[in-house]
Amino acid sequence: AQKVTQAQTEISVVEKEDVTLDCVYETRDTTYYLFWYKQPPSGELVFLIRRNSFDEQNEISGRYSWNFQKSTSSFNFTITASQVVDSAVYFCALSEANYGGSQGNLIFGKGTKLSVKP
Amino acid sequence: DAGITQSPRHKVTETGTPVTLRCHQTENHRYMYWYRQDPGHGLRLIHYSYGVKDTDKGEVSDGYSVSRSKTEDFLLTLESATSSQTSVYFCAISINQANQPQHFGDGTRLSIL
Repeated sequence: AQKVTQAQTEISVVEKEDVTLDCVYETRDTTYYLFWYKQPPSGELVFLIRRNSFDEQNEISGRYSWNFQKSTSSFNFTITASQVVDSAVYFCALSEANYGGSQGNLIFGKGTKLSVKP
Repeated sequence: DAGITQSPRHKVTETGTPVTLRCHQTENHRYMYWYRQDPGHGLRLIHYSYGVKDTDKGEVSDGYSVSRSKTEDFLLTLESATSSQTSVYFCAISINQANQPQHFGDGTRLSIL
């Protein structure tokens, strides 16, 4: 069955520290997609990145980077030199391409709350 | 910003009353979704739609119904609200189902007393 685990419920760091948010997924599909979303204190959900199962290249966008490793079924998210504005709940999500009538629906992890202190 | 509007943004109602939440999009996307967000559970899919009049159940569909009579509108109805349905409800849209990101509305905070 498909599942997304974000084992870190809450993380607190001081500004300028680097922080990594872990995401481990389970799927029986060979074609799947992984996503990260950010939910700031204002409550909206903001799409950050999508990765497909055939592309294991790491991605960097400014201070954000993502490490996708199929061998460990992980899709971890690192924020370099964290800032107070990074404080939010971050969700990892999985979408399967092929299985059952629910293909494509997002399965979310329970989220990691990141607090960045000044 | 994706053109998604949820209404109402906040609602307080009593147990047993019917409630309808509306999601309106201006993007002409085929897929629309309703999720609920609860502490400790993340987001869970209630129902989704893959076209006008085409809908299907998600993980937590009991007690909810949906309708989509136009591409731009997706309605979520609680026929007889219960306190367990107190939650934040999010609508999302996507161009296609699997490989494109879903974009979310700002949410509706629903309290059932």
